[in-house]
Amino acid sequence: GNSVTQMEGPVTLSEEAFLTINCTYTATGYPSLFWYVQYPGEGLQLLLKATKADDKGSNKGFEATYRKETTSFHLEKGSVQVSDSAVYFCAVYSSASKIIFGSGTRLSIRP
Amino acid sequence: DGGITQSPKYLFRKEGQNVTLSCEQNLNHDAMYWYRQDPGQGLRLIYYSQIVNDFQKGDIAEGYSVSREKKESFPLTVTSAQKNPTAFYLCASSIHTGGGEQYFGPGTRLTVT
Repeated sequence: GNSVTQMEGPVTLSEEAFLTINCTYTATGYPSLFWYVQYPGEGLQLLLKATKADDKGSNKGFEATYRKETTSFHLEKGSVQVSDSAVYFCAVYSSASKIIFGSGTRLSIRP
Repeated sequence: DGGITQSPKYLFRKEGQNVTLSCEQNLNHDAMYWYRQDPGQGLRLIYYSQIVNDFQKGDIAEGYSVSREKKESFPLTVTSAQKNPTAFYLCASSIHTGGGEQYFGPGTRLTVT
């Protein structure tokens, strides 16, 4: 079945640094890919998504491109803020309306 | 405002008691899901339902039960058979089409002592 692997955390950066969180997937066909964000004590929020190869999802300065050649969907942001501190989950659509989530990457931003 | 509500936010129970967690959505979504999240861990699927009066086991269904009598509601019962019930429980929903994203509620933190 489909699966997703994302880089382990925690990741600690200074404010205004460039962010990359790596995510690779295995899947049959070209399923939709997602990035979710979870702030402490809250549920997950959809950050961005891409539904086909070469699509770029973007939201709040974050971007990720659906790369079928490398089966990757890396999350990037050019200049992080303290408010970006959270746990980020990469996810891939599976079957029967199910989504498979990665293990999450905790991001901490220092002022 | 459309969304998913879970109540209560925090729940405390004694060992050996069953407890029911509420999940309601007004998004008119067909599919609903329950996940469990342990500290520092990802999400594990407990049960999901694609349509009213139908549901399927996820990866860790043992010790849990659900019902789906109404489209808007998908309550989860944590039974006394669940060996380690203390966790953060998340409910989600999605439009029942292939490839769609899921929308999450705020979660219920259950502590069993």
